[in-house]
Amino acid sequence: DAKTTQPPSMDCAEGRAANLPCNHSTISGNEYVYWYRQIHSQGPQYIIHGLKNNETNEMASLIITEDRKSSTLILPHATLRDTAVYYCIVRVPRVYGNKLVFGAGTILRVKS
Amino acid sequence: NAGVTQTPKFQVLKTGQSMTLQCAQDMNHEYMSWYRQDPGMGLRLIHYSVGAGITDQGEVPNGYNVSRSTTEDFPLRLLSAAPSQTSVYFCASSYRTGGMDEQFFGPGTRLTVL
Repeated sequence: DAKTTQPPSMDCAEGRAANLPCNHSTISGNEYVYWYRQIHSQGPQYIIHGLKNNETNEMASLIITEDRKSSTLILPHATLRDTAVYYCIVRVPRVYGNKLVFGAGTILRVKS
Repeated sequence: NAGVTQTPKFQVLKTGQSMTLQCAQDMNHEYMSWYRQDPGMGLRLIHYSVGAGITDQGEVPNGYNVSRSTTEDFPLRLLSAAPSQTSVYFCASSYRTGGMDEQFFGPGTRLTVL
């Protein structure tokens, strides 16, 4: 699975969009980009994933650059409850095993 | 659905004691896995299972055993607890092995080994 690089922390004002970057310059053509988050002391929560097209769901949007070497997770209207560690994971879905390799992630602090 | 459940929520052991962390899911998921999370660090995969009767090692399997006799349950056994196993343990499951599906995580078991 390709290595990812994320900033260690970011701040965002409540009600504003939170844009979390992820660099994955060694991504291969069949690797997907996944985002999970972990709110303090809880189990990680799936947010969104994509291959090359931009994706949107009820939680967030995922923007992947055309060369697929980086992506941005967008929380359109951040709330205090979005304060969490956000993990960007790049992986190839395998026949045997859906292993997720978690890095250090980005600590997002949403402030009022 | 209850989702992924884990018991106990908290546990304190003495060095050398054994115990089993329980994990169950009611979503008929094929894939289940165990992770540990040490303070200030990301999650690391211990063991995983792609179906009943099939298990394999993750990146940090030493000191842990697993078995998968049913689709619903995936217990994690510590045969002889060590202080280095003090951590938060998360169980996860997903529907399709090798697919795109999201993984569902349990609430975690906080284990302290004295």
